[in-house]
Amino acid sequence: TQLLEQSPQFLSIQEGENLTVYCNSSSVFSSLQWYRQEPGEGPVLLVTVVTGGEVKKLKRLTFQFGDARKDSSLHITAAQPGDTGLYLCAGAGTASKLTFGTGTRLQVTL
Amino acid sequence: DAGVTQSPTHLIKTRGQHVTLRCSPISGHKSVSWYQQVLGQGPQFIFQYYEKEERGRGNFPDRFSARQFPNYSSELNVNALLLGDSALYLCASSFIAGGGQPQHFGDGTRLSIL
Repeated sequence: TQLLEQSPQFLSIQEGENLTVYCNSSSVFSSLQWYRQEPGEGPVLLVTVVTGGEVKKLKRLTFQFGDARKDSSLHITAAQPGDTGLYLCAGAGTASKLTFGTGTRLQVTL
Repeated sequence: DAGVTQSPTHLIKTRGQHVTLRCSPISGHKSVSWYQQVLGQGPQFIFQYYEKEERGRGNFPDRFSARQFPNYSSELNVNALLLGDSALYLCASSFIAGGGQPQHFGDGTRLSIL
């Protein structure tokens, strides 16, 4: 069974602070996706990383895929209240299954 | 363009009943996946369908079944409902099948079992 553990589970920070969310597994994934989910809505895809060691930037968000394709991180610079939400990593492994992580709930206050 | 639409948005059932949830994918998308999201956790994969055929199944009991229609819309059926089935049920569509494909999610059906 492929499992993805995210840390921390909860994060409450003030506007302007930096943060990093980690997504770890003992399994290798062919690709890894990051989603953000807001209350009452479905997850929205932020990025897909495919190659080990790959780094992608999306404005103030930086995503990295581990060299062994077992882990990933999401770094947010100068967080804003609009970044508040549930961040989910999801790994693509065998066949059609997408395995989601346990989630990191981020709250950014003024 | 319309996104993934799910109906109903909310549903209340009692134990032992049956429920049918519906999903319409984004126009042009041929694959639909279903996920169960329990409060405070990440979504868990239930099924993926592509061109009306089941392409993947998660670790859920046989009480859960699904199908995809010629217009690529899909239904998720759950029989003999249990209290533990209370969750947000998410539908996602993608152009083709495969776990690595970008998933476009609907806003889900919130199912409450009393």
